[in-house]
Amino acid sequence: DIQMTQSPSSLSASVGDRVTITCRASQGISNSLAWYQQKPGKAPKLLLYAASRLESGVPSRFSGSGSGTDYTLTISSLQPEDFATYYCQQYDSMPLTFGGGTKVENK
Amino acid sequence: EVQLLESGGGLVQPGGSLRLSCAASGFTFSSYAMNWVRQAPGKGLEWVSAISGSGGSTYYADSVKGRFAISRDNSNNTLYLQMNSLRAEDTAVYYCAKSYGDYVGWFAPWGQGTLVTVSS
Repeated sequence: DIQMTQSPSSLSASVGDRVTITCRASQGISNSLAWYQQKPGKAPKLLLYAASRLESGVPSRFSGSGSGTDYTLTISSLQPEDFATYYCQQYDSMPLTFGGGTKVENK
Repeated sequence: EVQLLESGGGLVQPGGSLRLSCAASGFTFSSYAMNWVRQAPGKGLEWVSAISGSGGSTYYADSVKGRFAISRDNSNNTLYLQMNSLRAEDTAVYYCAKSYGDYVGWFAPWGQGTLVTVSS
């Protein structure tokens, strides 16, 4: 199974900050990576797929990059509605696996 | 608009069974793979199972293989998860989620989830 390691597990940031979350796969996943946002009590929402492709309707302040085993989600200017938990997910091979999540909290 | 509505969750004793349903609308159901993903209280996301658009291919996480069975009724646009031999560690919110095509990949959108509690 491919293990997905997210870092940090939590971070504190302020509105307007640039936020970066990292996801590392235990083996290469050929950009087969998605990012989700989850708010308390709600279902996850897709933000990006194929490592860097923005889902329709998602604000352009979200971006993704990376290759091989290392991937990054960046929020260019954190907005109040962005305080949430973020998960990465690989779909290169079965079983599909998620990172442990990164909680973005208000400083 | 794509909508996914799960039902069937509840309290069940260890060793018991439960069947979850997910009613889909707003898209050509048979053209898309579908998935179940769960989240234990206060924990992260865990993919559970997937099924191809035709229902001919199914996939399971090792943690549920042999105990859970995924199926679909394309005539009624409904996805199912039959859960047998339930354990305390199966306690979670179960989400159904649509794949992006008729292949197992990323998930969008997700349903609102249904809570399964396994406890005596």
